[in-house]
Amino acid sequence: LAKTTQPISMDSYEGQEVNITCSHNNIATNDYITWYQQFPSQGPRFIIQGYKTKVTNEVASLFIPADRKSSTLSLPRVSLSDTAVYYCLVGSPLFYNQGGKLIFGQGTELSVKP
Amino acid sequence: DTGVSQDPRHKITKRGQNVTFRCDPISEHNRLYWYRQTLGQGPEFLTYFQNEAQLEKSRLLSDRFSAERPKGSFSTLEIQRTEQGDSAMYLCASSLDRGRTDTQYFGPGTRLTVL
Repeated sequence: LAKTTQPISMDSYEGQEVNITCSHNNIATNDYITWYQQFPSQGPRFIIQGYKTKVTNEVASLFIPADRKSSTLSLPRVSLSDTAVYYCLVGSPLFYNQGGKLIFGQGTELSVKP
Repeated sequence: DTGVSQDPRHKITKRGQNVTFRCDPISEHNRLYWYRQTLGQGPEFLTYFQNEAQLEKSRLLSDRFSAERPKGSFSTLEIQRTEQGDSAMYLCASSLDRGRTDTQYFGPGTRLTVL
């Protein structure tokens, strides 16, 4: 499973766009990139998943360059409620009997200030 | 609410006691996972079920830990002879095997405190 590196913490202000970059230099051909958000005393919440180029949903965008060795989670116009820990995960598709465990790092603690 | 549910949300026990946690996955999800999370760390994988079959167990899952998923529905995680080091948040997640990607949806967790 590919290892990921992301900043331990980031600060932002309400209304700004926040970009969190994750490095995964040894990503495998079949690996997907997934981001989760976690608030204190809650389980992680799925945000977005992608394989290449750009993926956008109602919450965030995920940018993946051609070499796929990094990815950037973009949160548009953050609010105080976006203060949370954001985890970048890389893993291969899940085939029967190969398991599907997610390997979490320490994540990025995002603090949004008024 | 059709999300993953866990019971209890909090459990305080004395060292040496046994505890059991329950997880109800999203309906029709065939995969169920247990993770453990300590303060300041990301969740760590414990074990995984495909339907009722337990397919993988982490080395973190000592002999004092046992998990079951009878009939491929809800799951229980039991810890025998609890130790203070077992204090953590125990998270359950479920997913539906779609063949290529597998989005896991987490429950709110059970916070265990061993005194």
